[in-house]
Amino acid sequence: DTGVSQDPRHKITKRGQNVTFRCDPISEHNRLYWYRQTLGQGPEFLTYFQNEAQLEKSRLLSDRFSAERPKGSFSTLEIQRTEQGDSAMYLCASSRGQGGYTFGSGTRLTVV
Amino acid sequence: AQSVTQPDIHITVSEGASLELRCNYSYGATPYLFWYVQSPGQGLQLLLKYFSGDTLVQGIKGFEAEFKRSQSSFNLRKPSVHWSDAAEYFCAVVTNTGNQFYFGTGTSLTVIP
Repeated sequence: DTGVSQDPRHKITKRGQNVTFRCDPISEHNRLYWYRQTLGQGPEFLTYFQNEAQLEKSRLLSDRFSAERPKGSFSTLEIQRTEQGDSAMYLCASSRGQGGYTFGSGTRLTVV
Repeated sequence: AQSVTQPDIHITVSEGASLELRCNYSYGATPYLFWYVQSPGQGLQLLLKYFSGDTLVQGIKGFEAEFKRSQSSFNLRKPSVHWSDAAEYFCAVVTNTGNQFYFGTGTSLTVIP
């Protein structure tokens, strides 16, 4: 069990640029989640995959956001035309069924 | 709708003192409840979870939590706090489909010598 890995750990980007984050879940976990955490708040749900199928999306996930999990393993979260309001910690988690949710260390995005 | 309330934004305790962090949830069915801890700039580490059965659950680092259905609460406790426990603590509820966490806004713990 190597844990959930997220890359990069930190990303600074200029407003209007596109960014992509990667999450590698625990290998035997079929469920993968993305959350966003802003300063002083708890994480907020963005989207959920079971294997390669994206089954739920939050209304927070505007049309500038897209997530994929093409082979049911790693996942990417892309933000197009970044805005300052996108600055946050983006957390990935994985689980096998309904138990054992494990979070990664997150990617901190700063939009300048 | 599901929600979690952590009424204490910030708590300060002396090292060696006991600790209780409050969590109240709102959920129509039997909840799955979790406590996570987050150090600055880090992800979330699971302390403990309640799915069913014994309402007093033990977790890592000497933490425990008690599920009280009548009070819709899941308070986190530790009998003797260590300086390394200083962090942000989040309570969360998961729907019975297990697809989405609802987190509280967190309680920041400061430990003074």
